[in-house]
Amino acid sequence: DQQVKQNSPSLSVQEGRISILNCDYTNSMFDYFLWYKKYPAEGPTFLISISSIKDKNEDGRFTVFLNKSAKHLSLHIVPSQPGDSAVYFCAASARETSGSRLTFGEGTQLTVNP
Amino acid sequence: GAGVSQSPSNKVTEKGKDVELRCDPISGHTALYWYRQSLGQGLEFLIYFQGNSAPDKSGLPSDRFSAERTGGSVSTLTIQRTQQEDSAVYLCASSLRPANYGYTFGSGTRLTVV
Repeated sequence: DQQVKQNSPSLSVQEGRISILNCDYTNSMFDYFLWYKKYPAEGPTFLISISSIKDKNEDGRFTVFLNKSAKHLSLHIVPSQPGDSAVYFCAASARETSGSRLTFGEGTQLTVNP
Repeated sequence: GAGVSQSPSNKVTEKGKDVELRCDPISGHTALYWYRQSLGQGLEFLIYFQGNSAPDKSGLPSDRFSAERTGGSVSTLTIQRTQQEDSAVYLCASSLRPANYGYTFGSGTRLTVV
């Protein structure tokens, strides 16, 4: 079963506009959420995270929002830049029950057009 | 080294042969993880090491898969009698401690079983 889902395989936005990437989860035990960015032929790199005790975390152009009641999180990138073009994975952890394992979504390919 | 190093970067093997994939984590990182990404899928957890022991190996798909870590450093993932469904990118990651903060991933080994 897919406990973390990213329903949009791809997203295309214009440079300078906002990019919104979405992620849904089903496991109510998840208490920590992360976003990773991946360029071709490279490993994923950690971008931003949020604990379930918060509903928002901001780091520069990147903001992650968590809606626990809807089991939904989103990553906002504003303003979007061409260098942001990459695959974005959301990931979740249930630290009480599954230790250090992360469960990943399928990824969303973001393309930022100049 | 400065990052997580994986070798080989690409491996083509014949069905039924054994393969060994190597991961050299960041020096001082006690936690080491193996994931794999099949085509069009998210990252799938395989195994987690804390030091030289593996508290969680529940993600290994079959008994053809095994992994070890020696000296709290280098890890080897071995796949015996490879099958075509083993074709994937195998990613190794390390973290300072198993706290589910951002991992540092290697660039992966692309395994193709023909």
